[in-house]
Amino acid sequence: DAGITQSPRHKVTETGTPVTLRCHQTENHRYMYWYRQDPGHGLRLIHYSYGVKDTDKGEVSDGYSVSRSKTEDFLLTLESATSSQTSVYFCAISDPGMGPDTQYFGPGTRLTVL
Amino acid sequence: AQSVTQLDSHVSVSEGTPVLLRCNYSSSYSPSLFWYVQHPNKGLQLLLKYTSAATLVKGINGFEAEFKKSETSFHLTKPSAHMSDAAEYFCVVSVYSGYALNFGKGTSLLVTP
Repeated sequence: DAGITQSPRHKVTETGTPVTLRCHQTENHRYMYWYRQDPGHGLRLIHYSYGVKDTDKGEVSDGYSVSRSKTEDFLLTLESATSSQTSVYFCAISDPGMGPDTQYFGPGTRLTVL
Repeated sequence: AQSVTQLDSHVSVSEGTPVLLRCNYSSSYSPSLFWYVQHPNKGLQLLLKYTSAATLVKGINGFEAEFKKSETSFHLTKPSAHMSDAAEYFCVVSVYSGYALNFGKGTSLLVTP
């Protein structure tokens, strides 16, 4: 398994509170991604990073921000959580040397916003 | 834009019978296509990847997929289903921008004894 961990694995929070999810990799891969998974939608890209401090928006980026200050860590922040952000969040990594579009996924974080 | 459509949301097969999960793609370029599997309450695992080297791609656990450009299809097959194959399967296309992926909505495979 690719060395990807996500924390926390489960979180329950209240509407309006800030939430930060962490993705940590030990593979030194250049690209990192955040997806959310909802029933009937598959996975949808939130944000991605193509290097330290280099990030870009995905399909469903509204309400989310990201930061990447180190190669190994990619943080996803919900500035003010809403019930529509209840979802399972997956981090993924890839690297040009391994085939840049071959992504390996973390175990996921289940977030519930009440 | 690159996208995929999974034609069945649910497929049910008996153990030992063939599996066919259908996927059509839309792409302006020669696409990179993938199948991922997700077992209940687990992360996603790469089954196989097509990158134009060969139209028939073999993956893990006896699965394979055939790229058919004329039909814009990338169907996943397995000759004989096993109970452990019960899972959600996603057909995926690379969108090239940042090498991100576009996922289909998934096909839930049920395997009955």
